Amino acid sequence: ILNVEQSPQSLHVQEGDSTNFTCSFPSSNFYALHWYRWETAKSPEALFVMTLNGDEKKKGRISATLNTKEGYSYLYIKGSQPEDSATYLCAPPRSARQLTFGSGTQLTVLP
Amino acid sequence: DVKVTQSSRYLVKRTGEKVFLECVQDMDHENMFWYRQDPGLGLRLIYFSYDVKMKEKGDIPEGYSVSREKKERFSLILESASTNQTSMYLCASSSQAGGTDTQYFGPGTRLTVL
Repeated sequence: ILNVEQSPQSLHVQEGDSTNFTCSFPSSNFYALHWYRWETAKSPEALFVMTLNGDEKKKGRISATLNTKEGYSYLYIKGSQPEDSATYLCAPPRSARQLTFGSGTQLTVLP
Repeated sequence: DVKVTQSSRYLVKRTGEKVFLECVQDMDHENMFWYRQDPGLGLRLIYFSYDVKMKEKGDIPEGYSVSREKKERFSLILESASTNQTSMYLCASSSQAGGTDTQYFGPGTRLTVL
């Protein structure tokens, strides 16, 4: 089982604040990292798949960076909105078909 | 759009009952997964199937079994439900190409075992 750590475990920010959180994973044998967003009462949905060191992906106000040499990825949210409130999960693959999920960062954006 | 459906959103069962959780996907995906999610522990893999009638144990298979008789359907079975199996259960599917493939999730079943 891969050791995947996400920090912080939970985060409260005010509407309009920018925020970021971290996913740490083993850097050896790396080939991809997934980010998911899981809103309450909904299904987890994919945000990004990142494969290359130095990769940066962006979707609206959300972006992510990847450092495969040191084994971490940052997720940034610019100008947080209440609809950004969710648990954000990262997941590196541990085999050709399986992912290992971190325990997530629970973000609450206060109006 | 990929759609993964689960048979129930909420389920309450008694200790010792046999419980079936059903999952259906409509994208002809080869891979299907059952996870459980508990506070502070993230998603933990129970079982995985990469083809009809094929299955592999995940990290926490004890107390569970699975069935995949058709490609689109993957069932999780609790042979004799216990209170420590109270949890949120999520089904997911993905295509065969490998670790960069996105998993698509169902809405989850919150199971309470009394």
